[in-house]
Amino acid sequence: DAGVIQSPRHEVTEMGQEVTLRCKPISGHDYLFWYRQTMMRGLELLIYFNNNVPIDDSGMPEDRFSAKMPNASFSTLKIQPSEPRDSAVYFCASSSYDNLANTEAFFGQGTRLTVV
Amino acid sequence: AQTVTQSQPEMSVQEAETVTLSCTYDTSESNYYLFWYKQPPSRQMILVIRQEAYKQQNATENRFSVNFQKAAKSFSLKISDSQLGDTAMYFCAFLPRASKLTFGTGTRLQVTL
Repeated sequence: DAGVIQSPRHEVTEMGQEVTLRCKPISGHDYLFWYRQTMMRGLELLIYFNNNVPIDDSGMPEDRFSAKMPNASFSTLKIQPSEPRDSAVYFCASSSYDNLANTEAFFGQGTRLTVV
Repeated sequence: AQTVTQSQPEMSVQEAETVTLSCTYDTSESNYYLFWYKQPPSRQMILVIRQEAYKQQNATENRFSVNFQKAAKSFSLKISDSQLGDTAMYFCAFLPRASKLTFGTGTRLQVTL
């Protein structure tokens, strides 16, 4: 497996534009997490899914943020409209409880978002 | 709610020496997993080591080992024979069954010559 794949790796956009971040979890993993990392706030959990269903979105900062997981192999995080304070590194991670001995949680390489 | 605490914001160690990073957590769960992640300047989050709560034996991965004290809810990371490439931010994380992966605030480790 190629691991958790995120795209794009870098995104620069103008304030007010829509931004879509994408994530492909590891095949067979049934949990998917979206995190945001900034110097000020550290690593924040935005939302997580179990079997494609959103379980906890209490970390989503505002209605401008939305996340979907239409199937087991794809998730998106959308910001509309984007603001400069959304600039951060966004990570996607996936995990599995299928087998106790193999429970793991791996991260994608992150998307560095800059809103100007 | 689960919380993870890393009380050492920064640490420094000389090359070839041993360093221990602390982590404590709070939970009422009995089945869970604990992880240490390394984040070098590249920002990539790299899984270093994991521990299953039901296992009493401490996990070991090459130069990395943990001291897991379930009753004390403590999960420290020991890095032996430190190398310059170990310089990074280290995060402790807690994962209960059917719930979210919770992180500590991290410890910045600097390995010096």
